[in-house]
Amino acid sequence: QSVLTQPPSVSGAPGQGVTISCTGSRSNLGANSDVHWYQHLPGSVPKLLIFNNINRPSGVPDRFSASKSGTSASLVITGLQPEDEADYYCQSYDTGLSGSVFGGGTKLTV
Amino acid sequence: QVQLQESGPGQVKPSETLSLTCTVSGGSIGSYYWSWIRQAPGEGLEWIGTTHYTGSANYNVSLKSRVTMSVDTPSNQFSLKVTSLTTADTAVYYCVRGGQRSWFDPWGQGTLVTVSS
Repeated sequence: QSVLTQPPSVSGAPGQGVTISCTGSRSNLGANSDVHWYQHLPGSVPKLLIFNNINRPSGVPDRFSASKSGTSASLVITGLQPEDEADYYCQSYDTGLSGSVFGGGTKLTV
Repeated sequence: QVQLQESGPGQVKPSETLSLTCTVSGGSIGSYYWSWIRQAPGEGLEWIGTTHYTGSANYNVSLKSRVTMSVDTPSNQFSLKVTSLTTADTAVYYCVRGGQRSWFDPWGQGTLVTVSS
């Protein structure tokens, strides 16, 4: 069981949008720890998609956005494209474990 | 830009020790935190631990008794040792820049380590 909970899978048609949730607890997201998101394309290396809750690294399209509130965070992808098919992971810091934790990952099917 | 490259054996035997090295190019290993993350087949990402050029290190509590990390500043490398391997340690191991309180970027290409007799 992952410390951060994500839905195992989501799907959407090309052009549509999806939301991937990440649920934590008082010892991580609820403790004001920042959330970061990664995209892991098949056969590739995980790529930083969002850092510090809402920020996109340069080169990440603005179709990707994120938010955080309390013990939950969300990644929103609009205008879905076939190349968005990937696994998406949230990550944060857990004060109880004194370490970084990942969500279990969400497989996006377009 | 900074690039990372893992090196080490692709296969190790149960009960043995795994040693991996990450070479940092395009930037200095100083001033940053550096981490190891792994992904077992069909599983998600797991943070193994974080080290710093000052010598400090923090490890995942579930692996703490078996893991050691260190930094070789002159060589611009950092390393990971995992002892008492079992088949459950079979995974792709990634070296990354970043500490346990921050995001991880960039990532190395990853190296598949298979624990098998």
